[in-house]
Amino acid sequence: DVKVTQSSRYLVKRTGEKVFLECVQDMDHENMFWYRQDPGLGLRLIYFSYDVKMKEKGDIPEGYSVSREKKERFSLILESASTNQTSMYLCASSLLRGQETQYFGPGTRLLVL
Amino acid sequence: EDQVTQSPEALRLQEGESSSLNCSYTVSGLRGLFWYRQDPGKGPEFLFTLYSAGEEKEKERLKATLTKKESFLHITAPKPEDSATYLCAVPSNDYKLSFGAGTTVTVRA
Repeated sequence: DVKVTQSSRYLVKRTGEKVFLECVQDMDHENMFWYRQDPGLGLRLIYFSYDVKMKEKGDIPEGYSVSREKKERFSLILESASTNQTSMYLCASSLLRGQETQYFGPGTRLLVL
Repeated sequence: EDQVTQSPEALRLQEGESSSLNCSYTVSGLRGLFWYRQDPGKGPEFLFTLYSAGEEKEKERLKATLTKKESFLHITAPKPEDSATYLCAVPSNDYKLSFGAGTTVTVRA
């Protein structure tokens, strides 16, 4: 079975802090994704990556950056957290480009005070 | 722009009361339609992929069907453990997934 893990289930941070969210997948998938999910807005893509050291902006990249130094690990960085970044963050992975079945991690619920 | 619309937003069922969820989409060149189940506070769990009109997939009490413009998720004789939010998604042209807003199903015993 595909396993996608995220470093924290719950996180509380203060405005202005730098926040790191980590995601690891154990199935040698090429593609990794970061989404945020908010009530009434659904799942929105922040960034994705098709290869190590490669990243592409999704629909809402502002205020975020990502890092993919190893194939199995994809990090989401909030450079200076703001209250409007309070959300559920979901990481996903898929096997190959064009193989669109994405497998999700359990999510990180982030509260920015 | 690719669009995915799910209806209804919420569905309340009695145990054993069968019903259907709808996912309509507008996309140029469908390369599959995906159904996920999401429990509160958890990540979406993959259920099915459908690739062509007329295709059907089943898993326990769930059956997904696909036409050229929409997909249905039929829940037959639901149980309380089927309570969840069901999401559908389609790949956009650059291989991202566009998700619908979901249908939240509540099954009462």
